[in-house]
Amino acid sequence: GQQVQQSPASLVLQEGENAELQCSFSISTNQVQWFYQRPGGRLIGLSYIPGMKPTGKQTSSTVTKGRHSSLTISSSQTTDSGTYFCVLSKNNNNNAPRFGAGTKLSVKP
Amino acid sequence: NSKVIQTPRYLVKGQGQKAKMRCIPEKGHPVVFWYQQNKNNEFKFLINFQNQEVLQQIDMTEKRFSAECPSNSPCSLEIQSSEAGDSALYLCASSPGRVSNERLFFGHGTKLSVL
Repeated sequence: GQQVQQSPASLVLQEGENAELQCSFSISTNQVQWFYQRPGGRLIGLSYIPGMKPTGKQTSSTVTKGRHSSLTISSSQTTDSGTYFCVLSKNNNNNAPRFGAGTKLSVKP
Repeated sequence: NSKVIQTPRYLVKGQGQKAKMRCIPEKGHPVVFWYQQNKNNEFKFLINFQNQEVLQQIDMTEKRFSAECPSNSPCSLEIQSSEAGDSALYLCASSPGRVSNERLFFGHGTKLSVL
């Protein structure tokens, strides 16, 4: 079954608005990573829980009870447009990291 | 910033041809992953290594791909006989692989088009 679920699937913001992207896991984890990708671009690590504070002043991330994570984008800019992926880095079954389906964000000027 | 290097950036092959891509992990990262990202942004885990040893791989990789991570040489992933459905972005990631730090660092990817 789907181990990593992201919501919303897509989101449109006006520049300056905030957004909270959600990720839930079917199994408990204590290691979550968030990535950003532009079409055709490299996956850029935004945050890694535990250990790495989110890059950029606009983002913050949390993990709650091992089953849920959120990424907050504050004061969005058009350059934040792209797809955000949540990755379950660690699980008790030692499976390879699992990706969510992504949230496609469009920030309008 | 990731220092994982993948080559080539783009690869065009005909059906039935071999397709080989390479990855240089970040220095000091013993763990290497290969993923396939399709046009729908779905990620499929293919194989991972710890140093030179295969840790896990899916059926498809075992049957149709050849992969290795030799010491002092780039890791490589090669499709033995390309199919149209193999067209995708192939991503390599490396990781410190420590219990306290399993953070992934990705390369730019190799975009494979099978005509």
